[in-house]
Amino acid sequence: GAGVSQTPSNKVTEKGKYVELRCDPISGHTALYWYRQSLGQGPEFLIYFQGTGAADDSGLPNDRFFAVRPEGSVSTLKIQRTERGDSAVYLCASSWTGTGTDTQYFGPGTRLTVL
Amino acid sequence: DAKTTQPNSMESNEEEPVHLPCNHSTISGTDYIHWYRQLPSQGPEYVIHGLTSNVNNRMASLAIAEDRKSSTLILHRATLRDAAVYYCILRGMGGGSEKLVFGKGTKLTVNP
Repeated sequence: GAGVSQTPSNKVTEKGKYVELRCDPISGHTALYWYRQSLGQGPEFLIYFQGTGAADDSGLPNDRFFAVRPEGSVSTLKIQRTERGDSAVYLCASSWTGTGTDTQYFGPGTRLTVL
Repeated sequence: DAKTTQPNSMESNEEEPVHLPCNHSTISGTDYIHWYRQLPSQGPEYVIHGLTSNVNNRMASLAIAEDRKSSTLILHRATLRDAAVYYCILRGMGGGSEKLVFGKGTKLTVNP
């Protein structure tokens, strides 16, 4: 079956611009997660949705970052006034329930480059 | 979140077993031990998880020490496709345990 998909696969933007990154989770998964991975590091948690609501946004680095999941399926990560330090691979994952033993299924990521 | 310690890198030959260690001396009684791996240019993928008993699945085995302060991921016959970064992650059952907390993991190189 279809896995988690993310678009675009690559995004190049200029400093100060606004970007949106999209995640299509596995159908039926209620939990959705965003992570960010810098070169040579493990993924770093950003935000977790349970259904339509953000259950944990403690990983968002500042108020330039915002994410939505209006219908409980597709999610969009929005970054305002991008900075060079935002350059990273942004990973999305989904799982059935979000509990501690639930397997998370990851997408291939969106590579964001801020010039 | 409880911390794990893994070697930065390991090397193996194709078709030989690989033992990837993980130390988690501050593990709590309700923490599960999860392993994910990340192949080059891909998102992480689930490998295996366990609580107290050793676990086997089609990908690997997980051996958990009796005191649970360490564990070992075992790949019985490494293939070139197993070259990846392997992450050992602790996950509790309470609030806040939904997210995965990744360290730097162990980069496994498999030689032909």
